[in-house]
Amino acid sequence: QKEVEQNSGPLSVPEGAIASLNCTYSDRVSQSFFWYRQYSGKSPELIMSIYSNGDKEDGRFTAQLNKASQYVSLLIRDSQPSDSATYLCAVNTPTGTYKYIFGTGTRLKVLA
Amino acid sequence: DTGVSQDPRHKITKRGQNVTFRCDPISEHNRLYWYRQTLGQGPEFLTYFQNEAQLEKSRLLSNRFSAERPKGSFSTLEIQRTEQGDSAMYLCASSLSGGGSYNEQFFGPGTRLTVL
Repeated sequence: QKEVEQNSGPLSVPEGAIASLNCTYSDRVSQSFFWYRQYSGKSPELIMSIYSNGDKEDGRFTAQLNKASQYVSLLIRDSQPSDSATYLCAVNTPTGTYKYIFGTGTRLKVLA
Repeated sequence: DTGVSQDPRHKITKRGQNVTFRCDPISEHNRLYWYRQTLGQGPEFLTYFQNEAQLEKSRLLSNRFSAERPKGSFSTLEIQRTEQGDSAMYLCASSLSGGGSYNEQFFGPGTRLTVL
């Protein structure tokens, strides 16, 4: 079992719709969770971080965390063609290191 | 701009040559990380520094790879006797310990290495 799993996609949504991206993780003691956006050929850009169960909203983005189910998601409202990118889920476990474990990413396509 | 910077942005080398990459973190950040990313994969952790101390190295990191952060500011990653399998994007990230930041890591633009 991979430590952080994401559906590779592509996930295609029409412009203006809600895009829902999901991520599961295997280490139950994980505490910090991050979503990055990565355009083709570019480096990852931090979008959201979440540490507590529930929802966290920032503009058009909402991160959702459910530690009991070991599940974190990212919702993008009013999706725009410029949101088309790969979205990476990262997990930071408190085991004396501060490294991130990344999923393979989900490719999102927003259709105009 | 005070973001993470990396140099060079692109490097093409022949198999067997040595290469060195540089990373300058965000100025107040005391933690620095190196990751490697290949096509279709997420970034893979290589090594981590807190100030000048290298506190963790991935078991996947062969002894051809070495990293330094001599004064706790910039860092270098050297790959000796490069192999075609070393071709990847090498990413540097930095973060600030404490202060409630929960270790948010910010990435530089990366160095794309091609080994011929």
